[in-house]
Amino acid sequence: DVVMTQSPLSLPVTLGQSASISCRSSQSLVHSDGNTYLNWYQQRPGQSPRRLMYKVSNRDSGVPDRFRGSGSGIDFTLEISRVEAEDVGVYYCMQGTHGPGTFGQGTKVEIK
Amino acid sequence: QVQLQESGPGLVKPSETLSLTCAVSGYSIGSGYFWGWVRQSPGKGLEWMGSIHHGGSLHHNPSLQSRVTISRDTSKNVFYLKMTSVTAADTAVYYCVTDEGQWNINNWGQGTLVTVSS
Repeated sequence: DVVMTQSPLSLPVTLGQSASISCRSSQSLVHSDGNTYLNWYQQRPGQSPRRLMYKVSNRDSGVPDRFRGSGSGIDFTLEISRVEAEDVGVYYCMQGTHGPGTFGQGTKVEIK
Repeated sequence: QVQLQESGPGLVKPSETLSLTCAVSGYSIGSGYFWGWVRQSPGKGLEWMGSIHHGGSLHHNPSLQSRVTISRDTSKNVFYLKMTSVTAADTAVYYCVTDEGQWNINNWGQGTLVTVSS
């Protein structure tokens, strides 16, 4: 299975500042169809995960444009600009290029 | 808007079978998507378990070998998870999910905690 490694695992952030989460895969996530199936999920405390981003950089409906996904190949980043209190939670990357789909271990974002 | 609701026993004894149901509203499970299960445990994090395509084909995580069975009842618009020979390591929150394909999970139920203990 493809191993997804996130860093850091814990990310204290000051309100209004930016946060950056890295996700690295054990092999390239470029699919034979040309797409890169890398998603980002947010799990707020006590809630189910919610998809934020699909195919690297496509924001889901209702996701603020403060969230930005980027990357290619094996290295991907989720950036949150102007962090707000509602952004607290755990963020997961997930790859779907190589079956079975696999998740990163999660990055906990908290307010300093 | 598709809504998913898990239900089933919250406590299962070791070596017994875990059985969960996911009731779907807002969409017919025979019309599209993959319908799947993901679990979340402190030890293993998030783990995709398997799914059933709207056409009926089944897909399982090889790591769970033959312990997992996913099925559906389109007349009731529900799908099911059965996992045999459970151990304490199967204690987790179990989510039913919709998948647009290529493990592109776009919707999650609220989750149900299943504890394996005697």
